[in-house]
Amino acid sequence: GAGVSQSPSNKVTEKGKDVELRCDPISGHTALYWYRQSLGQGLEFLIYFQGNSAPDKSGLPSDRFSAERTGGSVSTLTIQRTQQEDSAVYLCASSTTRTGNYEQYFGPGTRLTVT
Amino acid sequence: GEDVEQSLFLSVREGDSSVINCTYTDSSSTYLYWYKQEPGAGLQLLTYIFSNMDMKQDQRLTVLLNKKDKHLSLRIADTQTGDSAIYFCAERLTGGGNKLTFGTGTQLKVEL
Repeated sequence: GAGVSQSPSNKVTEKGKDVELRCDPISGHTALYWYRQSLGQGLEFLIYFQGNSAPDKSGLPSDRFSAERTGGSVSTLTIQRTQQEDSAVYLCASSTTRTGNYEQYFGPGTRLTVT
Repeated sequence: GEDVEQSLFLSVREGDSSVINCTYTDSSSTYLYWYKQEPGAGLQLLTYIFSNMDMKQDQRLTVLLNKKDKHLSLRIADTQTGDSAIYFCAERLTGGGNKLTFGTGTQLKVEL
């Protein structure tokens, strides 16, 4: 596709359940990022992938959060034992290093609601 | 520190210019970006400026960077109702990996 896509667009889950959020980056973009947007915390960085490896996981808020990327393309963010404070919009972005400007292009986000 | 701050709200009349301001504290920024977010949508990259520049113009958008004061601004000329959105500035730091640190966002409301 032309842009970054994410699925699902909305997810409602019960507290304590696990959820998986998916991101398809722009074709050919080697870098992929996850951010979280919530009312109280604004836009926060979670994790960055270069290819399939994650050199920066510093933003993951707890060990309940994990992410992987396979084939240098699709990424999945997994939240285990969800809590109400995990409710937020989870945004994925991708970028290429070819232009040297490191512009990040964002997907539409997944709105997660934990009840 | 990596604090990036913006005023929360700006209201302008259609046809006027809008100026959205951003201040940051870390002098090791390399690139600074402006993103637009419409209700229920993701972030749309509007423009960026490299830290060795002080101005960049792109159609109705003008970005000004004052490195001494760590101040960034986005001017939108001839503001239209379609410009109503939340605007975020973001910085990419030298040695900070490739992550972006975002400002708090400024909600722009354009009135007729």
